[in-house]
Amino acid sequence: EAQVTQNPRYLITVTGKKLTVTCSQNMNHEYMSWYRQDPGLGLRQIYYSMNVEVTDKGDVPEGYKVSRKEKRNFPLILESPSPNQTSLYFCASSPHLAGLDNEQFFGPGTRLTVL
Amino acid sequence: AQKITQTQPGMFVQEKEAVTLDCTYDTSDQSYGLFWYKQPSSGEMIFLIYQGSYDEQNATEGRYSLNFQKARKSANLVISASQLGDSAMYFCAMREFPLNFGNEKLTFGTGTRLTIIP
Repeated sequence: EAQVTQNPRYLITVTGKKLTVTCSQNMNHEYMSWYRQDPGLGLRQIYYSMNVEVTDKGDVPEGYKVSRKEKRNFPLILESPSPNQTSLYFCASSPHLAGLDNEQFFGPGTRLTVL
Repeated sequence: AQKITQTQPGMFVQEKEAVTLDCTYDTSDQSYGLFWYKQPSSGEMIFLIYQGSYDEQNATEGRYSLNFQKARKSANLVISASQLGDSAMYFCAMREFPLNFGNEKLTFGTGTRLTIIP
């Protein structure tokens, strides 16, 4: 089954404790992206990757890191989480430059709470 | 300036009635795509429908249709014969042609929470 998986689905942590949210897709997509969803703000892009070893900042990259060592994986790293990073996080993937109509496939979401 | 505007934070609709969710957008590009996603209480993002800027016909997918008015820059979602399972958050999103063949991000509106009343 074609899918994007994220782990963990739920996480409660404390300020400053490094964490990684994993994202993996099995569709051989070049393009992957991380979004965060906050009430009243919709989804905003954090980072994106156009292919292996090619990553760049989105609209709200502060406090996050990513890596793309393999095509299928795109982990999101919070080196020193803070309470303002409490949010619902989505990973998404799609073929790159396949047309404006190609669907971005979203993972199930990771609900992160930073105390 | 907001690129996607959804002016209805919440809506209540009687079951079996049709409902229109508003979306206006702002872009100077000629090529762009408009998407609607549904987010039920379980949290996942479900793709509903797509409309391309050059599409002459309004998109339809089952009970979903997109009322695309290019000159007004609006892309309203119409759900016919609403069902209890339609209760969810709905997001309008736009993808513009990526500059330098780069970022293909979706720009989202703030969403409309739709509640269907039995």
